[in-house]
Amino acid sequence: QVQLQESGPGLVKPSETLSLSCTVSGGSISGYCWSWIRQPPGKGLEWIGYMYYSGGSNYNPSLKSRVTISVDMSRNQFSLRLTSVTAADTAVYYCARYPNVYSSVVDPWGHGTLVTVSS
Amino acid sequence: QSVLTQPPSASGTPGQRVTISCSGSSSNIGSNTVSWYQQLPRTAPKLLIHSTNQRPSGVPDRFSGSKSATSASLAISGLQSEDEADYYCAAWDDSLNGVVFGGGTKLTVL
Repeated sequence: QVQLQESGPGLVKPSETLSLSCTVSGGSISGYCWSWIRQPPGKGLEWIGYMYYSGGSNYNPSLKSRVTISVDMSRNQFSLRLTSVTAADTAVYYCARYPNVYSSVVDPWGHGTLVTVSS
Repeated sequence: QSVLTQPPSASGTPGQRVTISCSGSSSNIGSNTVSWYQQLPRTAPKLLIHSTNQRPSGVPDRFSGSKSATSASLAISGLQSEDEADYYCAAWDDSLNGVVFGGGTKLTVL
C-alpha cells in the first residue's frame, strides 16, 4: 500500500523560499502524477499543482509564478518549491498521488506538514 | 472564496440521513465528475467518493454521491458519531485547468 510522508522546515521567513519533499513508500513513483495541496489553519483545501513522474506539470494559476514541483525518481521522492512566501502561505501542506489527470481524485494523501511563514 | 460552494455546516442525529450540497458551474461540476473527501479532526483528507457516485474499497455504503447539472450532493444515511468530520467536494475545472475544492462542510452529529 502506497504511503506518503512530507518533510521540510516548519518555519520559513517572509520573502524566502519554502521547500518540501515527499517520500513515496510501498510503491514506485513511476507511472503516476504527484500533487501538492495546502490548507491554511481553520480553512479549506487549495490545490497547488501536479507533476507527471516523467515531466510535464500543471499549477494553480494563482500560484503559478511562484511554484515548482519536481520529481526525483532515483529517490522515489517529489518536491515543492514556493518562492517569495508571505504570511498567507502559512498552511498545512499535503503531498498526494494524483492518479488521473483531468479528474479530481487525489489518493492517497500524506499526513501533512505545517509550514509557518514568520520572521 | 472557493470555486465550489458548500454550506459551512450541517447536523443530524444518530440514524438520520443527512445531505451536503456542492454548487458549481458548467466548467467544473457541469462537465466533469465530482469527488468527495472526509477530513476527520486533526487528520489528512480521505477520498470518500470518486467519479461522482463511486465508493473506494472500504467506504461504507451509507455514503453515496449524486450530481444534477452543476450541483452535486453527498448523502450519509444511518448517521453515526464517527461521521462527525469536515466534508469537501472537488472537481476538475476546464476554465482554470485545475482541481477546485468546495469550502468544506462541518458535519456535527448531535
